[in-house]
Amino acid sequence: GENVEQHPSTLSVQEGDSAVIKCTYSDSASNYFPWYKQELGKRPQLIIDIRSNVGEKKDQRIAVTLNKTAKHFSLHITETQPEDSAVYFCAASRPTGRRALTFGSGTRLQVQP
Amino acid sequence: EPEVTQTPSHQVTQMGQEVILRCVPISNHLYFYWYRQILGQKVEFLVSFYNNEISEKSEIFDDQFSVERPDGSNFTLKIRSTKLEDSAMYFCASKTAGNTEAFFGQGTRLTVV
Repeated sequence: GENVEQHPSTLSVQEGDSAVIKCTYSDSASNYFPWYKQELGKRPQLIIDIRSNVGEKKDQRIAVTLNKTAKHFSLHITETQPEDSAVYFCAASRPTGRRALTFGSGTRLQVQP
Repeated sequence: EPEVTQTPSHQVTQMGQEVILRCVPISNHLYFYWYRQILGQKVEFLVSFYNNEISEKSEIFDDQFSVERPDGSNFTLKIRSTKLEDSAMYFCASKTAGNTEAFFGQGTRLTVV
């Protein structure tokens, strides 16, 4: 089955700096890669996703890049703010709608004011 | 905005007891999932459900677990004889079709004592 590796496990940046979180996946058939943000004690919430027919997607301060050949994808947050502090999870799933998400182990991002 | 709702938010149960966790997915969604998250760890897939049957289940989802969609709106997870290691946050999720966003409920924190 799919295996998703995520690095780093913790990341501390100064407010205004950029943060990059990286994930690799094992199943070459995976074609959907969402990123979830989870604040303490709350549900995971989708912040951005990318499908394998594109290499990059951007939404304001957040961008995701995908390298299908290398089977890795990354989350980029620019101009970080204290409210970006949370745990971020990458995930992957295969094409059919029934397939569940396989999550990475999470990155705890701390933005220092 | 429609959302996935779960009840109860927190359940404490004695080891060996049966528990039922309840979820109301978003009304036009077709795919339903249960995930669990042990404290401080990643979100793990348990089971997916489509067209009134299980589509896929993980190795965690053993004979002690079952799911049901009894009335077309609720989606339940039953654990027949709880163990200490079942203590976790259980998330229900649903989505429409294909590779679309999975919406998560707010979770049920299960504590087995």
